[in-house]
Amino acid sequence: GQQLNQSPQSMFIQEGEDVSMNCTSSSIFNTWLWYKQDPGEGPVLLIALYKAGELTSNGRLTAQFGITRKDSFLNISASIPSDVGIYFCAGQYAGGTSYGKLTFGQGTILTVHP
Amino acid sequence: DVKVTQSSRYLVKRTGEKVFLECVQDMDHENMFWYRQDPGLGLRLIYFSYDVKMKEKGDIPEGYSVSREKKERFSLILESASTNQTSMYLCASSLGSFKGNSGNTIYFGEGSWLTVV
Repeated sequence: GQQLNQSPQSMFIQEGEDVSMNCTSSSIFNTWLWYKQDPGEGPVLLIALYKAGELTSNGRLTAQFGITRKDSFLNISASIPSDVGIYFCAGQYAGGTSYGKLTFGQGTILTVHP
Repeated sequence: DVKVTQSSRYLVKRTGEKVFLECVQDMDHENMFWYRQDPGLGLRLIYFSYDVKMKEKGDIPEGYSVSREKKERFSLILESASTNQTSMYLCASSLGSFKGNSGNTIYFGEGSWLTVV
């Protein structure tokens, strides 16, 4: 099946620092999604990307759909304590019949020290 | 805003009990999904449905069944709960791929924490 590698697995940063995380796949994807999950809650959609090369921002968050269609990154600028959580990437495989199934990365655990 | 509602946030059930987890979405989405999430294992797809009365096995369907009698409702059933089914269960929905790539975007519910004792 399709593989998604998300890195880093965890990050410990100071408030105000910028954060960058990325996902790479073994296959071409036609959709990249980034989610944030707070403890005990379901994942919440942050940014959706649908075209190779697309760069999209949502407040302090910026994500890009890689040109090769096999990778995506998420940047968080000027981190604040409420950015703490687990960030997941997810992608939709471009080939075959998937009925909308996504492949998920393993998540990046973000800790922000005040 | 898309709303995916899971009926129970926290449940405690006994081994061997039949358990129903209910999920409702209010956006007329075609696709609905059930995942479980465990530490170190990430999100794993149990079952999904792309239409009323249609269902497909995901990666870990053993011990589970599903029902989709109405478009907005997708139920996960544990026929005989076991302790290894203690987990967080997440329901999700998406519009459908026929709407283009944006139809692939999945929206999650808040999750249901199930403990089987």
